[in-house]
Amino acid sequence: QVQLQESGPGLVQPSETLSLTCTVSGGSISSFYWSWIRQPPGKGLEWIGHIDTSGSTNYNPSLKSRVTISIYTSKNQFSLRLSSVTPADTAIYYCARHMSPGARRAFDIWGQGTMVTVSS
Amino acid sequence: EIVLTQSPGTLSLSPGERATLSCRASQSVSTTYLAWYQQKPGQAPRLLIYGASSRATGIPDRFSGSGSGTDFTLTISRLEPEDFAVYYCQQYGSSPWTFGQGTKVEIK
Repeated sequence: QVQLQESGPGLVQPSETLSLTCTVSGGSISSFYWSWIRQPPGKGLEWIGHIDTSGSTNYNPSLKSRVTISIYTSKNQFSLRLSSVTPADTAIYYCARHMSPGARRAFDIWGQGTMVTVSS
Repeated sequence: EIVLTQSPGTLSLSPGERATLSCRASQSVSTTYLAWYQQKPGQAPRLLIYGASSRATGIPDRFSGSGSGTDFTLTISRLEPEDFAVYYCQQYGSSPWTFGQGTKVEIK
């Protein structure tokens, strides 16, 4: 079955760039849309943005100026870069799959999440 | 952006009881692009319901979803011990996709 795994630094300095990778295993990254979602400690979920396998992206306007999502189909991976981070960006970051081809789909497969702390 | 408001914030019930969770949208959710997720401590959210009323793969039939437009409901017919968790609704009809703030179902 398809599984997702986030990886990247757990600690990022303020004003630096957060970089995470999501590796898709057990299936192909092709034909689906892929999202990043975050959850500050003890709080709710916030959608960050998504990408399709052609590289077309859609970002949450609240983060758009700082977010870049990329896809590497040959590696079955996609990535998140969030620039100029502040402590408010401290959160668990999840990658997730849209459940069937198309952007307007629920998220049926999630990674386990990775905690990123922004602190000096 | 569509704002989703969930109520109540916390629901205190006993195993075997019926749980009714509400999700209200600030504007109509197109073509019932509404999902429900369950999240337990230390775990990622799990998809329960999509399209407002369709159960995801492997979800027991005690979970059901209903509603349209701006008002949606998740019902758990008889609570099992493993159902005590936080539940989120999410709309994916109008970008940016948004989530409700969550309803915690706790053991009374």
